[in-house]
Amino acid sequence: DAGVIQSPRHEVTEMGQEVTLRCKPISGHNSLFWYRQTMMRGLELLIYFNNNVPIDDSGMPEDRFSAKMPNASFSTLKIQPSEPRDSAVYFCASRLAGSTDTQYFGPGTRLTVL
Amino acid sequence: SQQGEEDPQALSIQEGENATMNCSYKTSINNLQWYRQNSGRGLVHLILIRSNEREKHSGRLRVTLDTSKKSSSLLITASRAADTASYFCANAGNNRKLIWGLGTSLAVNP
Repeated sequence: DAGVIQSPRHEVTEMGQEVTLRCKPISGHNSLFWYRQTMMRGLELLIYFNNNVPIDDSGMPEDRFSAKMPNASFSTLKIQPSEPRDSAVYFCASRLAGSTDTQYFGPGTRLTVL
Repeated sequence: SQQGEEDPQALSIQEGENATMNCSYKTSINNLQWYRQNSGRGLVHLILIRSNEREKHSGRLRVTLDTSKKSSSLLITASRAADTASYFCANAGNNRKLIWGLGTSLAVNP
C-alpha cells in the first residue's frame, strides 16, 4: 500500500516567491495534518483537517500561510510570499477515522528559502 | 508551552546495551505514543499506551506510563546500530490532537 505521498521532496526558492507543497493522504484516512519541523522549535502542528474541513489552524504562523483540502485525496500548503525563516521540513500526516490517533507521516518536503 | 519534554536530549550507547528515554507531559491524556524518525525521513509510529495501562511491550520495546507523574519511558533492549534515530513521544488528549516532545537523539555505536 502506498503511504502518505508528498511533493516535492526538496524545494529551493528565493525570498518573496510563492511555494506550494502537496500531499496525498493514505486512501480511506479522513484526517490530515500539516507539520513544520525545525531544530529550534521541533515539530509544530500547523493545521489539521477532518473530512476535508479545517478544524484547527491555530498553528499557522501568519497570513502568508494557507492550506486547502479540496477533496479527500489531496491537500496543499501554500506560502506566499516566502521568507528565509520559513526554511524547514514540512510533513503531512494522515489518520484513520475512529483509530487510536496514530498518525502516518509522509517523507516530508525540505524547503529552503534563500 | 504545551509541548512534552523528552530526556535525555541525546544518548550514545554501544550496540547490545539498553537505551532508556523519558518523556514528561503537561496535559491530561487519552493515550501516549512513541515515534521514531530516521535522518531525513518522516516519523514512524512505534507503540501506543493507553491512559489506563501502566506497561506495554512490543518486541524489543517496553513502554511505561505513570499518569500520576505525567511521565512515560521507552526502553529499547539489546540495541542495534539500526536503532540510531530520533525518538519522539506524543500525547493524545481528548481533542485528538497530538502534542509532541522535542525528541531524543539516539546513537548506537557498532
